[in-house]
Amino acid sequence: QKEVEQNSGPLSVPEGAIASLNCTYSDRGSQSFFWYRQYSGKSPELIMFIYSNGDKEDGRFTAQLNKASQYVSLLIRDSQPSDSATYLCAVNGEDDYKLSFGAGTTVTVRA
Amino acid sequence: EPEVTQTPSHQVTQMGQEVILRCVPISNHLYFYWYRQILGQKVEFLVSFYNNEISEKSEIFDDQFSVERPDGSNFTLKIRSTKLEDSAMYFCASRGGQEETQYFGPGTRLLVL
Repeated sequence: QKEVEQNSGPLSVPEGAIASLNCTYSDRGSQSFFWYRQYSGKSPELIMFIYSNGDKEDGRFTAQLNKASQYVSLLIRDSQPSDSATYLCAVNGEDDYKLSFGAGTTVTVRA
Repeated sequence: EPEVTQTPSHQVTQMGQEVILRCVPISNHLYFYWYRQILGQKVEFLVSFYNNEISEKSEIFDDQFSVERPDGSNFTLKIRSTKLEDSAMYFCASRGGQEETQYFGPGTRLLVL
């Protein structure tokens, strides 16, 4: 059973600030890492994925992966009130593609 | 943009009744999944389906659950005899053959009374 741990938050940041979200995972064989955003009562929506160690940037979002430390993070730059949501970290392994999710970190961006 | 669709959006049923949740995955996708999320809890994997058979299932997916792809477009989850603890959001997801990203449908909120 893959364990995925996230700080539950809530994380409150002022508009325009950087929100930093962290995630650790237990299975060293995990290959792919995903960040989903989930608004209350809605389904997970993919923000970005990362497979290789290092940083990956997509607009205001940057994912960072460190496989040696079994750690993946998400930075949200220039946070907007519309970024207020729960952010889910998910991982899958080499031989299976089921996603194991963390409990999510709730982010509130204060206007 | 192609998307996963699910019906119904909400379903209320009595304990012991059978329910069928329906999903239409993205048309060229080959892998299909069901997840559930009990209110306030994490998203949990139920089952994956490929080439008309179950490829993996979780401990949650017991004999009361079944999945089927009755035609070329629909993917269904059946719960034979619902229990109170089956109340949750049920998400269908699909992915293409060459990519690992799963795309989620809007979910069906199931309430068992």
